[in-house]
Amino acid sequence: GENVEQHPSTLSVQEGDSAVIKCTYSDSASNYFPWYKQELGKGPQLIIDIRSNVGEKKDQRIAVTLNKTAKHFSLHITETQPEDSAVYFCAGGDSWGKLQFGAGTQVVVTP
Amino acid sequence: NAGVTQTPKFQVLKTGQSMTLQCAQDMNHNSMYWYRQDPGMGLRLIYYSASEGTTDKGEVPNGYNVSRLNKREFSLRLESAAPSQTSVYFCASSPRTGEQETQYFGPGTRLLVL
Repeated sequence: GENVEQHPSTLSVQEGDSAVIKCTYSDSASNYFPWYKQELGKGPQLIIDIRSNVGEKKDQRIAVTLNKTAKHFSLHITETQPEDSAVYFCAGGDSWGKLQFGAGTQVVVTP
Repeated sequence: NAGVTQTPKFQVLKTGQSMTLQCAQDMNHNSMYWYRQDPGMGLRLIYYSASEGTTDKGEVPNGYNVSRLNKREFSLRLESAAPSQTSVYFCASSPRTGEQETQYFGPGTRLLVL
């Protein structure tokens, strides 16, 4: 089955700096890679996703890159703000719609 | 639209008791999922339902059963709760049509088994 590893487990950044979270996956059949943000006491919320036929996708301050050959994908947040503080999860999805999640990254943005 | 709703929000059980976690979605989605979230382990899939009338095991199905009651509702049952089932449980739904496969999550049910 799929195994998704996520690093780092915690990330502290100064407001205005960039944050990068990296994930690797093991299953070559994975074709869908979403990123979720989870605030304390709430359910995960999709922030961006990328399919295996695309190498990069950007949405305002958030971007995701995918390297299929190396089986890794990354989340980039630029110009971080205090409201970006949360836990971020990457996931790999198969053709059945099942997601395998990484363990999560606690991001703390300090003013 | 309320999206994905879950009841109850919080529950305390004694070892051996049973309970059913309820989940409903009003987005006319085909697929529904149950996850558990434990500290440091992300979310793990318990069961999923690709479409009304079908259910399949996920990564950690032992000790659980599910029912896809209709297109809107997907329940998770613990027949004999164990302390190891103390967790936060999330339900999710997805359109699963074409390239629309985003999973939308509910607010979660926090379960404590003593």
